[in-house]
Amino acid sequence: GQQVMQIPQYQHVQEGEDFTTYCNSSTTLSNIQWYKQRPGGHPVFLIQLVKSGEVKKQKRLTFQFGEAKKNSSLHITATQTTDVGTYFCAGNSGGSNYKLTFGKGTLLTVNP
Amino acid sequence: DAGVTQSPTHLIKTRGQQVTLRCSPKSGHDTVSWYQQALGQGPQFIFQYYEEEERQRGNFPDRFSGHQFPNYSSELNVNALLLGDSALYLCASSLIRSETQYFGPGTRLLVL
Repeated sequence: GQQVMQIPQYQHVQEGEDFTTYCNSSTTLSNIQWYKQRPGGHPVFLIQLVKSGEVKKQKRLTFQFGEAKKNSSLHITATQTTDVGTYFCAGNSGGSNYKLTFGKGTLLTVNP
Repeated sequence: DAGVTQSPTHLIKTRGQQVTLRCSPKSGHDTVSWYQQALGQGPQFIFQYYEEEERQRGNFPDRFSGHQFPNYSSELNVNALLLGDSALYLCASSLIRSETQYFGPGTRLLVL
């Protein structure tokens, strides 16, 4: 079945440093979504990417979808302590497949 | 505009017991998906309901069953609980024509 792998598993940075998490799918995706989960919280939707090679920005966050629609990345510029949490990518292969397959997530901690 | 709500927030059960978890979708949403999130893992898809029918199912045994009501709310039932069923159970709602899913706060189930 479809697998979504995410690296790194953990990332600790100093406040102000950049952060990137990478996501790879074993199959071509119809779309990919990114979620943030704060400690003790639930996943909160950040963004959805649909087009091959798509790049979207949300303030300090930049999301990319690979040309082959099998990989994606999330880059945070100048991290802040409010960025702490686990970032998940979740892929959907489309067609009659309605489920989201999540990666294991990248836990980001930020040292002030 | 109420978001996704779930009840109860926490639950403690013993092995062999049965549990029912409840979810009310975000206003206007017609599709409900259930996920299991073990500690340190990404959410795992259990099943999705639309028009009161199970539309797709993940790799979970028949002990996991669900229901969707005419008002789009949903229940997740787990029979013959095992220790390994201890997890955060997340409900996510969406519109049938959209893959974007909005998660509720979850129910933390502990099986002793």
